[in-house]
Amino acid sequence: AQSVAQPEDQVNVAEGNPLTVKCTYSVSGNPYLFWYVQYPNRGLQFLLKYITGDNLVKGSYGFEAEFNKSQTSFHLKKPSALVSDSALYFCAVRVRSSASKIIFGSGTRLSIRP
Amino acid sequence: GAGVSQSPSNKVTEKGKDVELRCDPISGHTALYWYRQSLGQGLEFLIYFQGNSAPDKSGLPSDRFSAERTGGSVSTLTIQRTQQEDSAVYLCASSSQGEYNEQFFGPGTRLTVL
Repeated sequence: AQSVAQPEDQVNVAEGNPLTVKCTYSVSGNPYLFWYVQYPNRGLQFLLKYITGDNLVKGSYGFEAEFNKSQTSFHLKKPSALVSDSALYFCAVRVRSSASKIIFGSGTRLSIRP
Repeated sequence: GAGVSQSPSNKVTEKGKDVELRCDPISGHTALYWYRQSLGQGLEFLIYFQGNSAPDKSGLPSDRFSAERTGGSVSTLTIQRTQQEDSAVYLCASSSQGEYNEQFFGPGTRLTVL
C-alpha cells in the first residue's frame, strides 16, 4: 500500500533562515513525488514534482526538493524563508505505471516569523 | 477562466437534507478527483475518475456519498441525508493524461450542515 508521512504538523522558522519541510513515502514501486501549497483562504497550488533524472528539483517561489531513494524521502527546502511562505504544505506520491490514485500526506503548517 | 471551477462556493443545509456539489474540470483533463478538507487540515481522498475507467470509490466514507462524471467532463458529488460531520470544504482537482502530471485544484465548496 502507498503512504506518505509528513512527521511535523508545524514548522517554525525565522525569516531569512533556511527551511525544511520533511516528507517520507512508502510505495511498492518507483514513485512520482509532488509538493503542493495552500495559502490562507486560497486553493491548493502545485509547487514542484520529481519525475526522473536529477534528484534535486526546483520549483515555484524559490523552493526545491531533493529525492532520496535510499531514504525514501522528498524533503522540501528553501535557502532563505520569507514571511509570505507561511502556508500549509502537502507532499504527495503516486506509483509509476499504475492507475492508482495520488496519495497526500497530512500536511505541515509552515510559519515564518519576521 | 481556464481553471477548475466549483459550485456553489458555499452551501448551508439542514441535517438530513441532500446536497449536490459540482465540479467543472479544465477542458481536456481526463482525471478528476474529489477530496474533503476539514478546518484547514489534511486532504481526505473521496473518489477518482480516470477517463472511461471505472472510478476508484475507495475513499467514500459511507453509502450516503456518491459521485458521477458525465461525458468525461463535469462531475457531481452528492451527499444524501447530510450529517453535521459532513461539514467541510470539498475540493475538486483535475489533471491531464499522464500519471506524472500535477493536479489543478478548484477553490472548493464549503459545506455547513446545521
